[in-house]
Amino acid sequence: EPEVTQTPSHQVTQMGQEVILRCVPISNHLYFYWYRQILGQKVEFLVSFYNNEISEKSEIFDDQFSVERPDGSNFTLKIRSTKLEDSAMYFCASSEARIGGNTIYFGEGSWLTVV
Amino acid sequence: GENVEQHPSTLSVQEGDSAVIKCTYSDSASNYFPWYKQELGKGPQLIIDIRSNVGEKKDQRIAVTLNKTAKHFSLHITETQPEDSAVYFCAALRTGGGNKLTFGTGTQLKVEL
Repeated sequence: EPEVTQTPSHQVTQMGQEVILRCVPISNHLYFYWYRQILGQKVEFLVSFYNNEISEKSEIFDDQFSVERPDGSNFTLKIRSTKLEDSAMYFCASSEARIGGNTIYFGEGSWLTVV
Repeated sequence: GENVEQHPSTLSVQEGDSAVIKCTYSDSASNYFPWYKQELGKGPQLIIDIRSNVGEKKDQRIAVTLNKTAKHFSLHITETQPEDSAVYFCAALRTGGGNKLTFGTGTQLKVEL
């Protein structure tokens, strides 16, 4: 079964450092997403990306965050200057299309610890 | 924006019993309602979903019901097994915009032997 893959599975970084989280969405999918989950809390939407541009972003997704699809397969989330409160599990997700709420598949997550 | 409430936050059942988790949503335009199962340290895994033109959907031991008028939907798991133990999240999505899923706060289900 096709799956969304994410790297790294776990990263520890110093406050103020830049972090890039990488994702390979399912190959025929057109919509890509990043969500995050702070330990013990619910999953929160960060951003959706379609046709090489951001479709929607949440208030969490401020100027410190950016997304990119640098080639035909990867989808990345960059945090420019990490803060302690950025410590969370970050999930990449993808779906075939937008109309009708097609199934959104999640990766296993990248656990980011900011110290 | 959309707000999804989920109850209970924890649920403990005996193996073989049924488990019911309930969610309410605020945006009447939401039209897609998936349920995800999350095991410790893993990503959310879709277990069942329902669209707003359907009132009920069943897949083996799992069923979901939707009441659009009341804006609530429920997950029913019958004949629970220890491997059903996990955190379950409901979510709601309104078609259009960025396909944003709004999640509930999660239910920790424990199936005891």
